Amino acid sequence: NAGVTQTPKFQVLKTGQSMTLQCAQDMNHEYMSWYRQDPGMGLRLIHYSVGAGITDQGEVPNGYNVSRSTTEDFPLRLLSAAPSQTSVYFCASSPLREGKLFFGSGTQLSVL
Amino acid sequence: GQQVMQIPQYQHVQEGEDFTTYCNSSTTLSNIQWYKQRPGGHPVFLIQLVKSGEVKKQKRLTFQFGEAKKNSSLHITATQTTDVGTYFCADNTDKLIFGTGTRLQVFP
Repeated sequence: NAGVTQTPKFQVLKTGQSMTLQCAQDMNHEYMSWYRQDPGMGLRLIHYSVGAGITDQGEVPNGYNVSRSTTEDFPLRLLSAAPSQTSVYFCASSPLREGKLFFGSGTQLSVL
Repeated sequence: GQQVMQIPQYQHVQEGEDFTTYCNSSTTLSNIQWYKQRPGGHPVFLIQLVKSGEVKKQKRLTFQFGEAKKNSSLHITATQTTDVGTYFCADNTDKLIFGTGTRLQVFP
């Protein structure tokens, strides 16, 4: 099993550009989530999903969209990138909402 | 809303010294998880505490959940250089919300 796979590992965007961060897991986990990590701020929850077709907002959802059409995939979309979205993004999955999270290796995003 | 405060923010210790990080909440926690993130890496799950007053050990690591389920701690005995990293607690009451983390540096 590959676990949780995130692509790309690094990305540089210009302000106003859009892009999608990909996340896929092969563990048949129902629960998936996206976090951003900024220095001194810990990990902040952006969006999460408890199963295919179901998504909900986390602590910092503004500027981001998600969808969950399959159990395996949970892409994160930035519609119009802003410098404040410069961060490291982690995708994570769990067999249950209450279970331990398995994290991907992260995407380092810079918005100029 | 959910909020957990974690202290200290940084801790530098000499190898062999002990280390403790604390996680505090103003509300009662359903359960709490602990994660470790090595520099440049991703968070890795360590443990989950569910019961009031629960104490769990993993080799040199001791995890405690307060009697009132409003605080938790992670204690490392006789730190080693392999313990370097950031330790996070996470409140799993509703959504999994992370504390700000404690960054541990161990000097040989």
